[in-house]
Amino acid sequence: TQLLEQSPQFLSIQEGENLTVYCNSSSVFSSLQWYRQEPGEGPVLLVTVVTGGEVKKLKRLTFQFGDARKDSSLHITAAQTGDTGLYLCAGAHNFNKFYFGSGTKLNVKP
Amino acid sequence: ETGVTQTPRHLVMGMTNKKSLKCEQHLGHNAMYWYKQSAKKPLELMFVYSLEERVENNSVPSRFSPECPNSSHLFLHLHTLQPEDSALYLCASSQALGGNTIYFGEGSWLTVV
Repeated sequence: TQLLEQSPQFLSIQEGENLTVYCNSSSVFSSLQWYRQEPGEGPVLLVTVVTGGEVKKLKRLTFQFGDARKDSSLHITAAQTGDTGLYLCAGAHNFNKFYFGSGTKLNVKP
Repeated sequence: ETGVTQTPRHLVMGMTNKKSLKCEQHLGHNAMYWYKQSAKKPLELMFVYSLEERVENNSVPSRFSPECPNSSHLFLHLHTLQPEDSALYLCASSQALGGNTIYFGEGSWLTVV
């Protein structure tokens, strides 16, 4: 079983549309990270959220950490083709463990 | 540029070969990790090192042998691999065990033929 479930698994949208991807768990995490990964490259850190209820904005990206620190969402406003990639969430749990979701593969069409 | 550098970026090896993957981090971190990423599977943690000491080995076959000579360098020695070992191998580091964030290298694409 997967500790972190991401949804949807795949998302294909037109440029300019908004979207939200989700990262859910029944476990509590001390922090949660979002990464974006392009094919053949390593994941690149987008944000770390630490406090329950925290909202962070990075240009057109808005990240929210659930109040209970079990879930998170990533909202992208007016998606661009450069947003295409695999979005991974990772939760820090139990000292040295980082658990990864299986990712949401986003394709933004021109 | 994430501060974690992996070499080689691409490697093709036969099943009887011996090769090594190298990782170097320039972030002053104390913890380093090897992950394996295969198609359609989540990232799999292989090994964790803290201050050059291995603290986790996630039931990885012995044909993968890690080495951490100092806190900036991490190697993954490969021998007698199988075709199913073909994957993207990612090195990562964090400030310390239990740190909030890990930073990844660009990965080494391994193909076993």
